[in-house]
Amino acid sequence: ETGVTQSPTHLIKTRGQQVTLRCSSQSGHNTVSWYQQALGQGPQFIFQYYREEENGRGNFPPRFSGLQFPNYSSELNVNALELDDSALYLCASSFPGYEQYFGPGTRLTVT
Amino acid sequence: RKEVEQDPGPFNVPEGATVAFNCTYSNSASQSFFWYRQDCRKEPKLLMSVYSSGNEDGRFTAQLNRASQYISLLIRDSKLSDSATYLCVVNPNSGYALNFGKGTSLLVTP
Repeated sequence: ETGVTQSPTHLIKTRGQQVTLRCSSQSGHNTVSWYQQALGQGPQFIFQYYREEENGRGNFPPRFSGLQFPNYSSELNVNALELDDSALYLCASSFPGYEQYFGPGTRLTVT
Repeated sequence: RKEVEQDPGPFNVPEGATVAFNCTYSNSASQSFFWYRQDCRKEPKLLMSVYSSGNEDGRFTAQLNRASQYISLLIRDSKLSDSATYLCVVNPNSGYALNFGKGTSLLVTP
């Protein structure tokens, strides 16, 4: 096991609602990256946080936002949910430039 | 054009077979390269890094050709437990985002 945990495991939301997903990084890791994996696709980079600051962002709209806390845990927030947001959301923790360790993911279904 | 392209398969092979996966990437300035393994409905896990000189880990051999922007993974003596999706991953800037291919599905049958 990587030591990266995510909650909740599964979530069902309705279109237009908002959702918050949580990630606890492996002990000592100060960098958290979030990825979205749609069915049949590879993970797509959403954004990365390093020491509580956004350190890079992929091609996702502003309704995807995040936070990193002093203990390096992180949240992903998605507003105005759309059906296409249904996916597995993965977080990965690391030291900058080193291997990223993935958590088990949160499976989000938007109906 | 996608940044990392892979043949999605599926590859169905018998136990003991040798199977090869290929991947191409578009960013010639990419810094590091990996193969990840993902079991059904699980998180991706690092299988091995890929170096220009080629590297081997047991039954697995990875190769990188920077001139052709091409990465390969060879699995020898396939086991049932090798059944999974294999993701080709490119890191354009060390410490930054990982760019994943769609993955290649492998099913090893008895």
